[in-house]
Amino acid sequence: QVQLVESGGGVVQPGRSLRLSCAASGFTFSAYGMHWVRQAPGKGLEWVAVISNDGSNKYYAESAKGRFTISRDNSKNTLYLQMNSLRAEDTAVYYCAKDRWSGDFDYFDFWGQGILVTVS
Amino acid sequence: EIVMTQSPATLSVSPGERATLSCRASQSVSSDLAWYQQKPGQAPRLLIYGASTRATGIPARFSGSGSGTEFTLTISSLQSEDFAVYYCQQYNNWPPWTFGQGTKVEIK
Repeated sequence: QVQLVESGGGVVQPGRSLRLSCAASGFTFSAYGMHWVRQAPGKGLEWVAVISNDGSNKYYAESAKGRFTISRDNSKNTLYLQMNSLRAEDTAVYYCAKDRWSGDFDYFDFWGQGILVTVS
Repeated sequence: EIVMTQSPATLSVSPGERATLSCRASQSVSSDLAWYQQKPGQAPRLLIYGASTRATGIPARFSGSGSGTEFTLTISSLQSEDFAVYYCQQYNNWPPWTFGQGTKVEIK
């Protein structure tokens, strides 16, 4: 069964950096695009970034451009989100999510349990 | 960017009753519309994709309809485990992938 397990969250001061990881199992990781989605406390879902199956294509939300970098290591079945220059408004639960499509991008068919990042 | 608007924000329904949730897109997304369910403290779960196709393991009481800019999620007979927040998402025109603000289905 598909499993996505995020790690690396915690409390960080404004302006500092943090790297999130998402360990994937139960599917051929290298065949699928992967996303990061976040949810601020008590708020809705906000897409953050996506990376194609081979890492060649990456897209970011405006709120993440220039500060966040998505990457992946297919040999380790792991997705990453490097977050720099963190702001209070980046405080959220961060989810990794699997794209359902092995070609282009589509909807998200599996989600991790999420990891809390608090910028304070 | 396509803006997704859900209504109502909160829906109070008695167990066994029907719930109808709406989602509107600011421009046509064809049938590239998904619905997700999120319970407190849990990750979102895919319910519906392609506006009307149930994801694997989703009970038949969940149904989706619509195309273009107007979409509906119907829960035919609410069970206790269905009280949650529901989000619609468009995946027609990206980036970004955009979500509605959510509809909370609560016990009346």
